[in-house]
Amino acid sequence: EVQLVESGGGLVQPGGSLRLSCAASGFTFSSYAMSWVRQAPGKGLEWVSAISGSGGNTYYADSLKGRFTISRDNSKNTLYLQMNSLRAEDTALYYCAKDLYRGIAATAIDYWGQGTLVTVSS
Amino acid sequence: QSALTQPASVSGSPGQSITISCTGTSSDVGGYNYVSWYQQHPGKVPKLMIYDVNNRPSGVSNRFSGSKFGNAASLTIAGLQAEDEADYYCSSYTSSSTLLFGGGTKLTVL
Repeated sequence: EVQLVESGGGLVQPGGSLRLSCAASGFTFSSYAMSWVRQAPGKGLEWVSAISGSGGNTYYADSLKGRFTISRDNSKNTLYLQMNSLRAEDTALYYCAKDLYRGIAATAIDYWGQGTLVTVSS
Repeated sequence: QSALTQPASVSGSPGQSITISCTGTSSDVGGYNYVSWYQQHPGKVPKLMIYDVNNRPSGVSNRFSGSKFGNAASLTIAGLQAEDEADYYCSSYTSSSTLLFGGGTKLTVL
C-alpha cells in the first residue's frame, strides 16, 4: 500500500523559512517522480514543484520565483521542500504526491499524502 | 502561467449526465494527451479519476469518462449519484514541463 506522510508544517513569520518532508513507502521510491501540490484555505489546487526519480531534474511553478527548492533522498525514501522568503500567500496545505509515470514528471498524480499545513503570519 | 479554465459550478439531478469543461492552450491541453481529472470531497484528499485524457484508474466507476478536442478537455459523469457531489479539478502537462491545474468546479447533485 502506497503511503505518503508529510511533516514539517507550522506557523512561520513572513520572510521566514521551513523545510517540509515526506516519508514514502509501499512503492519503489527511486523509480517515480514526485511532486508537491498546495491548496490555500478554501481555494483550488496549485502545483508547486516536481523532481525526477533520480533527483537529477527539478521543475517549479513560475510563481515561486526561486524561493522554493525540491530535493529527495532515495536512500531514505524521503522527499523534501525547502521554502524560503515565505509570504502570507504561501499559507496552504502542502501535499506530497506521487507521479503516475516512472519516466516523466508532472503528468498526473495517482497518490496523495494527507498534507501538512503551513501558515505564514506575524 | 494562468490556471486552466473550468466553470465554477455545475449541477444535475440524480440519474442525469453532466459535463465539466477544461480549457487551456496549445501549450498545455492542446499539445499533450496528459490531461487528468481529480475528485475532492470536502476535507478529503484529491482522488485521480481520469488520466491521459480518457483512462480510468482501477476502481473508478465507468460512469466517469474523459475526452479532448483541440485546447479543451471534458469530464462527463453519467447516471449522477449523490456521492458524486464534490469539487473536480482538471490538470495538464505543459510545454514548460510543469503541471497546471484548473480552478476547480463544484458539482452539486440536486
